[in-house]
Order: sequence, then structure tokens, then C-alpha cells
Amino acid sequence: KAGVTQTPRYLIKTRGQQVTLSCSPISGHRSVSWYQQTPGQGLQFLFEYFSETQRNKGNFPGRFSGRQFSNSRSEMNVSTLELGDSALYLCASTRDSSYNEQFFGPGTRLTVL
Amino acid sequence: DAKTTQPNSMESNEEEPVHLPCNHSTISGTDYIHWYRQLPSQGPEYVIHGLTSNVNNRMASLAIAEDRKSSTLILHRATLRDAAVYYCILRDRGGGSNYQLTFGKGTLLTVNP
Repeated sequence: KAGVTQTPRYLIKTRGQQVTLSCSPISGHRSVSWYQQTPGQGLQFLFEYFSETQRNKGNFPGRFSGRQFSNSRSEMNVSTLELGDSALYLCASTRDSSYNEQFFGPGTRLTVL
Repeated sequence: DAKTTQPNSMESNEEEPVHLPCNHSTISGTDYIHWYRQLPSQGPEYVIHGLTSNVNNRMASLAIAEDRKSSTLILHRATLRDAAVYYCILRDRGGGSNYQLTFGKGTLLTVNP
């Protein structure tokens, strides 16, 4: 079956703009998590959605938000972009169990100029 | 989640076994030990997980110490495609709705031809 897909794969924005990233989980997976990866901070958890509800949130400012649709697809939005938001944004989906494996997408590379 | 400690880097030769260690001295009785790896320019990929007993799958073996304070990921015959950053992660099986993965720095594995 198809893996986790993320669009777009690459994005260039300027400071102050906003951006929306999309993630389609594996069919049947109801949980979608988002992570930010930077060279300095490594992989950091942003938030997790399940059945259209945010269940967990990492330590990121309110400029980072997300949502999940009834078909489990998820979007994350970053408003008022800063240079430090340049990162690889990864989406992961899983079946409904905390110890099941998470399946990651290839990520969206965001560059903020 | 409890913390894990891994070496920053390790080196191996192709077709030789690789033993990647992980210390988790504060592990709780309900923590599963998960391993993920991240190949260059890709999202993380699940490798294996276990609770108390040693585990094998097509990718690797996981050896868990009797006191569970450490574990070792074993790649039986390293290939060039195994060059990646390997992450050891603890996840509480009783975590309910907590699907968050807490990534450390991981171990960068270099495989020499």
C-alpha cells in the first residue's frame, strides 16, 4: 500500500509569510504526527492529531498550528515565518496504538529567506 | 519519556556485523525500546522494538539486557545501504494517547566498502 505522502517536497518562502504543508497518512492510519528537523535541534515533536483532534503538542510557539480532516489527511501551518523556521518538516502516521511503529513521509524542506 | 544514551558515531566494514549500543538506565517497566534509523535525505524508518525478550526481524536483532538498562541493535551483515543515523527511543506502552517520539542525537553509522 502507498506510504505517507507529503506535499510539497520543497518550498521557499520569505520572512513574515505563512505556509501550509500537507500530509496524507497510510490508508487506515488514524494518527498523524508532525516533527521538525534542524541541524541544531535534531528531530523535535510538533503535534499529533487523531480523529480530527489535537491530542499532543510539543514545545513550539502558537505560530505553528495544524489540523486533521475526516479522511485523516493533515495540514500544518506556520504563520509569520522566521529564518529559524527553515527545516525539514516530517509527518508520520500510525495505527491506533502507542507502541506501534510510526511511518514517516519523506518530509517537506522549507527554506525561509 | 526516559532518556537514552548512544555513541555519537560508529564505523563498520561492509558485510561485517554491527552492534549499536544504547543505555537507558531510567527505563520503567512499561517502556518499550524502539529503534528507528534515518538514511540520508529520508524520513526516519522503523527498525525494531522490544520489551524484555530479544527480538529478531528481517532488518535486525534487538538484544535487551536482563535488567533492561541497556540494549543493543545488531545488524548481522552491514551493507552500504545501512549507513544512517540510528535512534534508540523509549516509549511507554501504557502511554495511552501519547504517540510522541522523543528523538535524541542518535548514532551515525558509517559503513566502509
